[in-house]
Amino acid sequence: ELKVEQNPLFLSMQEGKNYTIYCNYSTTSDRLYWYRQDPGKSLESLFVLLSNGAVKQEGRLMASLDTKARLSTLHITAAVHDLSATYFCAVVRAGGTASKLTFGTGTRLQVTL
Amino acid sequence: KAGVTQTPRYLIKTRGQQVTLSCSPISGHRSVSWYQQTPGQGLQFLFEYFSETQRNKGNFPGRFSGRQFSNSRSEMNVSTLELGDSALYLCASSLVTGVGNSPLHFGNGTRLTVT
Repeated sequence: ELKVEQNPLFLSMQEGKNYTIYCNYSTTSDRLYWYRQDPGKSLESLFVLLSNGAVKQEGRLMASLDTKARLSTLHITAAVHDLSATYFCAVVRAGGTASKLTFGTGTRLQVTL
Repeated sequence: KAGVTQTPRYLIKTRGQQVTLSCSPISGHRSVSWYQQTPGQGLQFLFEYFSETQRNKGNFPGRFSGRQFSNSRSEMNVSTLELGDSALYLCASSLVTGVGNSPLHFGNGTRLTVT
């Protein structure tokens, strides 16, 4: 059974600071997604990571994938209040259908002024 | 381009009743999948439909069912509702099923409360 763990579960950080969210998964996968969810809202796609060593950046967020370590990271640079949300990683088992995602527990990020 | 549309946004039902939720995918998307989100269990895959056929099913009891129509719209049904079925039900669509690199596009969800 594919298990996906995220840490930390909750992260409170000051504006301007850097931090990293970690996503570990238990079985072989070559596709990993990061999503953002604002309170009461739906999931917004941030990144799709397809291969070992993949790195993608958008604004203050950068995601990477190490398939050998079964680890993805979401790095936040110089956080701003607008980044406050819950972040989920989601993994597709190798050979699995792209629509069957196994989600991590989520990391609730709170950026304080 | 319109996003994934789910109706209704909110529902309150009583234990033992049944409920039907509706999802209209992004135009041109043929795969529709459903997820349940609860504080305790997080986001869990329910099932996926493609070309009116169920392609995958998660670990949910038979009370949870769904279908997809020829225009790719999908419905899910929960019968004999239990308190534990209270959740946010999210529908997602994508262009294709199977292997692909495009992300799922999620709707705003239907929040179901069972009393």
